[in-house]
Amino acid sequence: QVQLVQSGSELNQPGASVKVSCKASGYTFSTYDMNWVRQAPGQGLEWMGWINTNTGNPTYAQGFTGRFVFFLDTSVSTAYLQINSLEAEDNAVYFCARGRQGYVYFDLWGRGTLVTVSS
Amino acid sequence: DIVMTQSPDSLAVSLGERATINCKSSQSVLYSSNNKNYLAWYQQKPGQPPKLLIYWASTRDSGVPDRFSGSGSGTDFTLTITSLQAEDVAVYYCQQYYSTPVTFGQGTKLEI
Repeated sequence: QVQLVQSGSELNQPGASVKVSCKASGYTFSTYDMNWVRQAPGQGLEWMGWINTNTGNPTYAQGFTGRFVFFLDTSVSTAYLQINSLEAEDNAVYFCARGRQGYVYFDLWGRGTLVTVSS
Repeated sequence: DIVMTQSPDSLAVSLGERATINCKSSQSVLYSSNNKNYLAWYQQKPGQPPKLLIYWASTRDSGVPDRFSGSGSGTDFTLTITSLQAEDVAVYYCQQYYSTPVTFGQGTKLEI
């Protein structure tokens, strides 16, 4: 079954770090780039960037440089999003989304991971 | 960045009737070398991730019912849902992938 399975909800304090995982199955992981999309509570969709699953090279959208890190573990077909120095503004659902081959639209989505930042 | 603006923000349509959602881009998303519009539509139901409905402005993704159709070119696009069903209640987003950062419209909430 072709799917992306994300890790569960996270509750973290301001200043901490969080790592969100996205495990792919049912297809060849290295064939499709992986994107990350943020959705703040009650808001729309915001593209954070993508990672080339063949080379591991990440590309970050403006506003997601510095504290946000995309990386892979290709041995387990998993993409990761790490957010460092968490801020209240990071409260959101984070989706991983597979890019259709060669293009940046998204044909397969994970169910999302809710990250809550609270002291 | 290309700004995507949807209209209306919300829409109420009776069961069996037609729903029309518009999307306007701040610059053309038509790539002249292949004559393709780099525009996709997604459906997001409460508590679920978005689902791809349409890409290349008018190509339905696999398994998407044919009551969903996309049209338009350049900067102006439309998603049409004919014969609205109860399960079509959702927020609909357009997205351009002509250039990065890819950008989404603000969403249109469709209700019965």
